Amino acid sequence: AQSVAQPEDQVNVAEGNPLTVKCTYSVSGNPYLFWYVQYPNRGLQFLLKYITGDNLVKGSYGFEAEFNKSQTSFHLKKPSALVSDSALYFCAVRGEYNFNKFYFGSGTKLNVKP
Amino acid sequence: NAGVTQTPKFQVLKTGQSMTLQCAQDMNHEYMSWYRQDPGMGLRLIHYSVGAGITDQGEVPNGYNVSRSTTEDFPLRLLSAAPSQTSVYFCASSYGASFYNEQFFGPGTRLTVL
Repeated sequence: AQSVAQPEDQVNVAEGNPLTVKCTYSVSGNPYLFWYVQYPNRGLQFLLKYITGDNLVKGSYGFEAEFNKSQTSFHLKKPSALVSDSALYFCAVRGEYNFNKFYFGSGTKLNVKP
Repeated sequence: NAGVTQTPKFQVLKTGQSMTLQCAQDMNHEYMSWYRQDPGMGLRLIHYSVGAGITDQGEVPNGYNVSRSTTEDFPLRLLSAAPSQTSVYFCASSYGASFYNEQFFGPGTRLTVL
């Protein structure tokens, strides 16, 4: 069965500090991993994806994510958080053998304080 | 481009009523999908379509029907609404069904079933 886990419901960081939002996955075959962000009362917006190649993926708004196959993780990172980064973040996975279906994590609320 | 549009934005139904949530995209995307978002549970796939005339079930299809007569439109029908279907519904689309394509999301429909 395919699944995504986001172990933290909420992450609090101070503006200017680095942030990490964690994601682990379980999938058959190679994973194809995505991060999305949701602002209040809005739809989800795509941030970045890992398909193959370099384990460090760079995306929108200064975000990046590190793919670790041995730990089955795909953590989202940013070197210096902004207050405007405060939002709900979702990790999602598609599996190589069942790529018509996306599986989403439960979401992590990021709070960046001034 | 308008992207992915959804109507209505809000809807209140009584138990047993039926209704259709509309979704349209103007990006000529082959793949379209419907999700429901519930607190603490992330997004769960209801139904998806890989092209006109082709639909399939996701994780939580019971109580919902879909059809795909055109590339642009992918309506979601609630046959007999139940309070358990109170949720926020998102439609999404992507170019083709390939594993590397991210999805574009609509703004959502907030449905309350009394």
